[in-house]
Amino acid sequence: DSGVTQTPKHLITATGQRVTLRCSPRSGDLSVYWYQQSLDQGLQFLIHYYNGEERAKGNILERFSAQQFPDLHSELNLSSLELGDSALYFCASSGRQGATEKLFFGSGTQLSVL
Amino acid sequence: GQNIDQPTEMTATEGAIVQINCTYQTSGFNGLFWYQQHAGEAPTFLSYNVLDGLEEKGRFSSFLSRSKGYSYLLLKELQMKDSASYLCAPETGANNLFFGTGTRLTVIP
Repeated sequence: DSGVTQTPKHLITATGQRVTLRCSPRSGDLSVYWYQQSLDQGLQFLIHYYNGEERAKGNILERFSAQQFPDLHSELNLSSLELGDSALYFCASSGRQGATEKLFFGSGTQLSVL
Repeated sequence: GQNIDQPTEMTATEGAIVQINCTYQTSGFNGLFWYQQHAGEAPTFLSYNVLDGLEEKGRFSSFLSRSKGYSYLLLKELQMKDSASYLCAPETGANNLFFGTGTRLTVIP
C-alpha cells in the first residue's frame, strides 16, 4: 500500500459527461501529480500541484482541470468526455516540490467512456 | 523539450539476465528514475541514479551515464513475477516527471 488513495476505482460514464476523480496523498506529502495512461500507452504527465499551487502542466486538455485543496487532497475534473478519454488515471504524491524525491502512486481510477 | 527512448518489448527466460536500455535527451537533468508497473497496477519505484555508474540493489541494478544520456536496468535471476513494464524517467527539476513509454518484459519458463 503506497498510502495514496484514489477514488473511485472504476467509473463508467457517457460521452459529453463530466466526472471528478479524487486523490488523497500520503500523509505529509505536499506534491500531487496526475497522469493518464491509455491502453498500451505510457504514462502521460498531466499536471503537478504543490501545497495548493499549480507547478507544472503537461499535455493536459483544456477540457480537463485540477486543483489541490487546503487539506492537500486533489481533484481532477474531466468534462465534455470523449471516447478517447477512456484511460487509467493515476495520481502520485511526494514530499517535495521538485521531483527529486520518488513518487508514490495510487492504484488509479479506471475511466470508461461509452 | 525532452525525448525518452526505450525498447517497446523484450522477452527473456526465467533465471536469465536481461538489460533494459533507456536513452534520453532533456533540458536539465538531476537524475533518473526506474519504475516497475505490472499490468493494470500502479507503478512502483525501483531506483534513482544521480551519479554515473552502477548501483546494485538485490537482483536489480541500474546504470547511468550522464554524458551519454544513457541508462540501463539490469535484472538478474529472472523470475516469472518480473514480467511487467519497466519505465524510465529522467528527472529535470522542472516540477514535472515525464516517463518513457516503457519496456514490456515477458519472462518465459
